[in-house]
Amino acid sequence: NAGVTQTPKFRVLKTGQSMTLLCAQDMNHEYMYWYRQDPGMGLRLIHYSVGEGTTAKGEVPDGYNVSRLKKQNFLLGLESAAPSQTSVYFCASSKLASTETQYFGPGTRLLVL
Amino acid sequence: AQTVTQSQPEMSVQEAETVTLSCTYDTSESDYYLFWYKQPPSRQMILVIRQEAYKQQNATENRFSVNFQKAAKSFSLKISDSQLGDAAMYFCAYRSGNFGNEKLTFGTGTRLTIIP
Repeated sequence: NAGVTQTPKFRVLKTGQSMTLLCAQDMNHEYMYWYRQDPGMGLRLIHYSVGEGTTAKGEVPDGYNVSRLKKQNFLLGLESAAPSQTSVYFCASSKLASTETQYFGPGTRLLVL
Repeated sequence: AQTVTQSQPEMSVQEAETVTLSCTYDTSESDYYLFWYKQPPSRQMILVIRQEAYKQQNATENRFSVNFQKAAKSFSLKISDSQLGDAAMYFCAYRSGNFGNEKLTFGTGTRLTIIP
């Protein structure tokens, strides 16, 4: 049981390039989330999904897209990376909303030059 | 909107001693959940303890306990018998109990140093 895994662990992009971050969970959780963590700040929610085939915007969704084609996977895409998107990205999952604890992946460090 | 405030950017404690990390929050909701997460240098976010607002009893997990003061909107974390492995960033987080409000709202964190 690996829990929540994220790929890649670290990536460097040039401004304007695109990439996809992959999050996978093997706990059969319905809900999945993408957060970003910037220095001196707590985590902020980018997008989330309440089930396969569904996505919703969080607190800071601009510049990102997501997809949840399979229950166990949640993809975060950057179509045209900007230096402001340099951050550490965390994926999380929970069994259900509100009443359940969110479990986090190890994070992906992204540097946009 | 809910806010979470951690007023101590850094704390230090002698190994084997007790330390308390502070957290206050602001909400107009009556149904919510509070969490403490630990983030060691590996960056993994690890759940330390969780408290349901409707429970009067303070949550405990081994050496970790909370002092939940609902009226004062305070949720502090006490770490007893501090160990070197407790060194990390600690984040307080709030989650609404209302369906449709899915996000965790985090504080800015407290960096805890353990002095051998």
